[in-house]
Amino acid sequence: QQQVKQSPQSLIVQKGGISIINCAYENTAFDYFPWYQQFPGKGPALLIAIRPDVSEKKEGRFTISFNKSAKQFSLHIMDSQPGDSATYFCAASNGQAGTALIFGKGTTLSVSS
Amino acid sequence: DAGVTQSPTHLIKTRGQQVTLRCSPKSGHDTVSWYQQALGQGPQFIFQYYEEEERQRGNFPDRFSGHQFPNYSSELNVNALLLGDSALYLCASSWTGDGNQPQHFGDGTRLSIL
Repeated sequence: QQQVKQSPQSLIVQKGGISIINCAYENTAFDYFPWYQQFPGKGPALLIAIRPDVSEKKEGRFTISFNKSAKQFSLHIMDSQPGDSATYFCAASNGQAGTALIFGKGTTLSVSS
Repeated sequence: DAGVTQSPTHLIKTRGQQVTLRCSPKSGHDTVSWYQQALGQGPQFIFQYYEEEERQRGNFPDRFSGHQFPNYSSELNVNALLLGDSALYLCASSWTGDGNQPQHFGDGTRLSIL
């Protein structure tokens, strides 16, 4: 049973556009929701994370929107750049940030110049 | 400041063999988690080690075992390798002392089973 569902599987965005990736979770005990970026041949790198007590968190061009009642959260990448082309994973965990992360299946983003 | 380091970077084994993968956590981190990432999929949690003991385990068979040493480094052992064990194995470290500390990942070991 997949506990974190991520969409779309792939996304093509023009340079300067907004990239939006969505995730939905089932376990209401989840209380930590990070987004990771992964380039080919590299491990996932943390982009931004949010906890359920806030509805939005922004860091630079990256914003997480969180809807606790709908059990959904999304990543928005503003002013998308070719260097943002990578695979993005949402994840969730129950408890402290260091406990087991449950990942979505990933979204491959391509930003065309 | 060195991040999470894993060795080897690539490994080729045959079915039935045993393998040991190694991980050194980021400086200051005391907790190590291992994940398996199949091609085109998200990482799947195998287990987590803290204070040299397995603290949490995912849905993986007993063929997967681990160890954490006093210097916080860790090993992942897989016995009786199957073709389906071919994957990227990721190590992540964190500091349990602060619940807001995120997990930092290494670049993984690519394991291929022939």
